[in-house]
Amino acid sequence: KAGVTQTPRYLIKTRGQQVTLSCSPISGHRSVSWYQQTPGQGLQFLFEYFSETQRNKGNFPGRFSGRQFSNSRSEMNVSTLELGDSALYLCASSFRDRGEKLFFGSGTQLSVL
Amino acid sequence: GENVEQHPSTLSVQEGDSAVIKCTYSDSASNYFPWYKQELGKRPQLIIDIRSNVGEKKDQRIAVTLNKTAKHFSLHITETQPEDSAVYFCAASNSGRLGSQGNLIFGKGTKLSVKP
Repeated sequence: KAGVTQTPRYLIKTRGQQVTLSCSPISGHRSVSWYQQTPGQGLQFLFEYFSETQRNKGNFPGRFSGRQFSNSRSEMNVSTLELGDSALYLCASSFRDRGEKLFFGSGTQLSVL
Repeated sequence: GENVEQHPSTLSVQEGDSAVIKCTYSDSASNYFPWYKQELGKRPQLIIDIRSNVGEKKDQRIAVTLNKTAKHFSLHITETQPEDSAVYFCAASNSGRLGSQGNLIFGKGTKLSVKP
């Protein structure tokens, strides 16, 4: 089985722009979670989608949003980028919802200048 | 909401020694506790997980223990090898409970260095 695929691998944006990140889960996995990883802060939960429905949302501003399509692929959008949004954004999929046995993608490294 | 504290933030051991990483959690409803290993420049990978109805679980050189009363759990790596060098993350969630949040909350990570 192919693993979790995230595109693009790297992104450079400027403040005020918006960005869309894409995640293709492992075939058969219906749950997709997104995490922000920064040095010293670990992995912070953004949101989780299961069967196209947002199940959970972390403590991030409304500029961060996401969606999941019928084929379980997911996108994450960040509007009005700020310097502090620079981070590695990781997507993870699992067969079940609620955070069990997550398989992570390689991430998208976002740099905001 | 859930909060997970992880200690130490860095750990250096000699090859062959044991390494122990400890985590505490705040939500007594949490019932699922996985550990992830992230090598430099790579994705986090699940190495072992435990549920609240089990006190200990082993997989070769890796073991996890859980103390529900004290709300802490630990990762034990025996006979460490240089390839064990990585950042290790603990996490907790109240997985599977009806109406629960269920999302995984991670600790801030422990950078383990195994010196040959």
